[in-house]
Amino acid sequence: QVHLVQSGAEVKNPGASVKVSCKAAGYTFTDYYIHWVRQAPGQGLEWMGWISPDTGGRIYETKFEGRVTMTTDTSNSTVYMELSKLRSDDTAVFYCARSGVGTGYFLDYWGQGTLVTVSS
Amino acid sequence: DIQMTQSPSSLSASVGDRVTITCRASQYIGNYLNWYQHKPGKVPNLLIYAASSLQSGAPSRFSGSVSGPDFTLTISSLQPEDFATYYCQQTSRTPVIFGQGTRVEIK
Repeated sequence: QVHLVQSGAEVKNPGASVKVSCKAAGYTFTDYYIHWVRQAPGQGLEWMGWISPDTGGRIYETKFEGRVTMTTDTSNSTVYMELSKLRSDDTAVFYCARSGVGTGYFLDYWGQGTLVTVSS
Repeated sequence: DIQMTQSPSSLSASVGDRVTITCRASQYIGNYLNWYQHKPGKVPNLLIYAASSLQSGAPSRFSGSVSGPDFTLTISSLQPEDFATYYCQQTSRTPVIFGQGTRVEIK
């Protein structure tokens, strides 16, 4: 059974950083990409980027370049997403999700979501 | 970047109705278009991938089709559990783009 289990909710001050983890189980960790998607209150889904646990290769949405870092720990089947210089409009639920590799992928399994609240 | 225009932004329908939601791509994306269902407080759920392939476990009343740049999600007979927000997603090239979402409400 495929599972993606994320770390718990966080409250951060503006300007701080947050690091969210996503632990995978039930499949070969290095065979799939891990994506990060967020949803701000009352807004739609927003893709942030993906990382390949196999190669460490990653692509970030331009909007987040310079603020987001995705890393992987293959020994623990865990992917991390760190977002820095937090602003109030970064308040959102952050999801990790799995996809196959190459063009035309789709997100077939998702983590439960992590609420990040940015407030002073 | 590819733009995805999803319509309508919301609709009201009754149980048993046939519902269609459309996404139009600003550039050619082949069949690299997926559809997700998202309910409040829940995790997004993949319904359709590659424009018309039904994800394992998704009800057969959901179907996807493509005609030129227009992609359509059809719910053949709306059920009470189908009231949710639906998103299209293109994965032809990065950045991956989600449509703006269509909220399906009870009439």
